[in-house]
Amino acid sequence: AQTVTQSQPEMSVQEAETVTLSCTYDTSESNYYLFWYKQPPSRQMILVIRQEAYKQQNATENRFSVNFQKAAKSFSLKISDSQLGDTAMYFCAFMKQGAQKLVFGQGTRLTINP
Amino acid sequence: GAVVSQHPSRVICKSGTSVKIECRSLDFQATTMFWYRQFPKKSLMLMATSNEGSKATYEQGVEKDKFLINHASLTLSTLTVTSAHPEDSSFYICSAVPGLAPNYGYTFGSGTRLTVV
Repeated sequence: AQTVTQSQPEMSVQEAETVTLSCTYDTSESNYYLFWYKQPPSRQMILVIRQEAYKQQNATENRFSVNFQKAAKSFSLKISDSQLGDTAMYFCAFMKQGAQKLVFGQGTRLTINP
Repeated sequence: GAVVSQHPSRVICKSGTSVKIECRSLDFQATTMFWYRQFPKKSLMLMATSNEGSKATYEQGVEKDKFLINHASLTLSTLTVTSAHPEDSSFYICSAVPGLAPNYGYTFGSGTRLTVV
């Protein structure tokens, strides 16, 4: 069974700083997908970024980028120029190819301070 | 973009009664929807996979007789919490996959906060 681990329960940075959230996973699969979801205080889950395991190039979405290290089974999220609206719970998630279930990590509560 | 509507957003019910939560895909068809439960400051726990036209698949430890799931159409899945008790109080979230490509990520409903008194 796949597991996803987020080792940072909480993080706090100042506005405009860069912050990196860590995520590691355990799987014997070679083809899979990784996601970062954001859950702001409204509790609405929002997809931030996704990565296909077969792609070596790290995914980027505006201020959000990932550092995908397949051999190390690591999938960290970097938020550049952090904004107050980035304050949220962030969940790392795994899905193996051909499956439909998402496996979530425990989450990291990120607070951006003014 | 793909939108999933979940209703109600908040509900308070008396212990022993049943409450129904609806999850609708507004602009796409979803043969599969998922129901999650989330405790305060915790991650999402998958309860069941809802399949259109067939029985739901429940995760281990989830009581299928307490949490009834009906996926009657390609755009609607419902979760009914039967004979609710205070320990059923929680935040329930549904999700659905636009199209046939789950690897592009799910769309989530806005969640339902259930309080059983």
